[in-house]
Amino acid sequence: GDSVTQMEGPVTLSEEACLTINCTYTATGYPSLFWYVQYPGEGLQLLLKATKADDKGSNKGFEATYRKETTSFHLEKGSVQVSDSAVYFCALKGGSGGYNKLIFGAGTRLAVHP
Amino acid sequence: DAGITQSPRHKVTETGTPVTLRCHQTENHRYMYWYRQDPGHGLRLIHYSYGVKDTDKGEVSDGYSVSRSKTEDFLLTLESATSSQTSVYFCAISATSGVNTGELFFGEGSRLTVL
Repeated sequence: GDSVTQMEGPVTLSEEACLTINCTYTATGYPSLFWYVQYPGEGLQLLLKATKADDKGSNKGFEATYRKETTSFHLEKGSVQVSDSAVYFCALKGGSGGYNKLIFGAGTRLAVHP
Repeated sequence: DAGITQSPRHKVTETGTPVTLRCHQTENHRYMYWYRQDPGHGLRLIHYSYGVKDTDKGEVSDGYSVSRSKTEDFLLTLESATSSQTSVYFCAISATSGVNTGELFFGEGSRLTVL
């Protein structure tokens, strides 16, 4: 079945450091890929998405490129802020599970210190 | 913010008792989902609904049932709660499904503790 694998956290960075959170996936067909973010005490919210190979999603300074050849969708940001501290989830839909269901990775906690 | 209300937000119950969690939306979205969030597992889909009285199982549906008698309400029932069902439960909604969509809007979660 479809699956998403994320790097284990927590990731601890100083403010203004560069961020990369790795995400790889296993799916048949041509899934759409997503990054969701969960701030403390809240539900998840969509951060960015990409629907086909080589697409780049971007939002709030975060970027991720859909790489079909490496089945990856790594999240990057050039300069993190304390306010970026959250849990980040990579997700996919549209593989063997169809487009009705979103499959999540385990999540990566990011802590940014001043 | 999407109009999603989960109730109760916190509940402590004992093993073997029935529990019902409610998700109410004011967006008139067609799709509704119940996920559970556990450390090391991320979010796992329990059940989802693609219309009134239309539901399907997710990857961790054992021990759970759902009902959707109205567009705005999606109920998750634990017929006989077990300690393994201690978790944070999230409801989510989506207007459409398809390759170019996929944004789910999430509620704030319901924390359930089964003693």
